[in-house]
Amino acid sequence: EPEVTQTPSHQVTQMGQEVILRCVPISNHLYFYWYRQILGQKVEFLVSFYNNEISEKSEIFDDQFSVERPDGSNFTLKIRSTKLEDSAMYFCASRAATSTDTQYFGPGTRLTVL
Amino acid sequence: GQQVMQIPQYQHVQEGEDFTTYCNSSTTLSNIQWYKQRPGGHPVFLIQLVKSGEVKKQKRLTFQFGEAKKNSSLHITATQTTDVGTYFCASAGFQKLVFGTGTRLLVSP
Repeated sequence: EPEVTQTPSHQVTQMGQEVILRCVPISNHLYFYWYRQILGQKVEFLVSFYNNEISEKSEIFDDQFSVERPDGSNFTLKIRSTKLEDSAMYFCASRAATSTDTQYFGPGTRLTVL
Repeated sequence: GQQVMQIPQYQHVQEGEDFTTYCNSSTTLSNIQWYKQRPGGHPVFLIQLVKSGEVKKQKRLTFQFGEAKKNSSLHITATQTTDVGTYFCASAGFQKLVFGTGTRLLVSP
């Protein structure tokens, strides 16, 4: 069964450094998402992406964040200057075509900012 | 913005006991989805409910969508240790999921 993959599984970085989290969505999916989950808390929406542009973003997704689909398979989340409070699990998700289609989540990247 | 709350926050049961988590939205929902997240894992889709008053079953799991489409519940009959995890409801809009606060279930053998 096709699945969403994410790399790396764990990223440790120093405060102020840039990080890029990578995702490979399911190949025939058209909608892509990033969510984050701070340890022990709920999953929070960051951004949705369709047709090579951002469809919607949350208040969390400020100027420090950006997303890109650099080629036909990868979908990346960049944090320009990480803060301690960016430490969280970051999940990528993808969805096929219609509004009722399920979002499939990747295994996540655990980001630790020191 | 929309808020989706779940109760209880945490429940510890003995294997074989039943379990229910309740999901309440501040606004009317077009649909509700349920996800399970195992410890250290990612959310895994369980089911989607769309119609007012809808009830769906998956083996020992029963999902219900309220008549007013502002609440939902998940009931597990005769829990097993494999049911351990956090159960999230989520409001599924076109552009995003709004997750509930989650209910963490612990099952002792």
